[in-house]
Amino acid sequence: DAGITQSPRHKVTETGTPVTLRCHQTENHRYMYWYRQDPGHGLRLIHYSYGVKDTDKGEVSDGYSVSRSKTEDFLLTLESATSSQTSVYFCAISESSVSQNYGYTFGSGTRLTVV
Amino acid sequence: QKEVEQNSGPLSVPEGAIASLNCTYSDRGSQSFFWYRQYSGKSPELIMSIYSNGDKEDGRFTAQLNKASQYVSLLIRDSQPSDSATYLCAVIGGSNYKLTFGKGTLLTVNP
Repeated sequence: DAGITQSPRHKVTETGTPVTLRCHQTENHRYMYWYRQDPGHGLRLIHYSYGVKDTDKGEVSDGYSVSRSKTEDFLLTLESATSSQTSVYFCAISESSVSQNYGYTFGSGTRLTVV
Repeated sequence: QKEVEQNSGPLSVPEGAIASLNCTYSDRGSQSFFWYRQYSGKSPELIMSIYSNGDKEDGRFTAQLNKASQYVSLLIRDSQPSDSATYLCAVIGGSNYKLTFGKGTLLTVNP
């Protein structure tokens, strides 16, 4: 996807280990988001950022932390991975004004398996 | 809890027919509405946005919004097998910038 890349694309990790997923954008958008997608649950917001060092929790934030030290990078960390965190993780970016929101652009996703 | 509801399907239509996808939302303050298409194993792709009551057309796609009924729909005319995908309805409420997604409707277009 143009302007937004996620790494790694696939990862298998063991229960209890920390894992960091990276989202990198070249669009200079202010807003960045981490979602997870699971069968039967759809896309659920984990954390989001509205600027450098400005982050907040989404609806499923337990067990996750984020950091944004630069406009272009948004990191998602699973502090101690559990099998319930096996999922597909999507990063998204958005360019919004006060009067209108233009929707999100999604990265290609990271498929994470916790064994 | 702000919710976005969609019929999970699957919705099956023959090639060339009109596919109609529906979505309801619970937050009356919602102001921005989107339809995403997601092919299996791929990321969601924005195909339509709508902000005002009425219809918005883009090629074979028409989005319809009725804020009084809290209802959004997507019509796909002349459906093609390449339209087979999961369609996600998404809503932004009030003054925040967070999208809430429905669980998606799986559309299958049969040749």
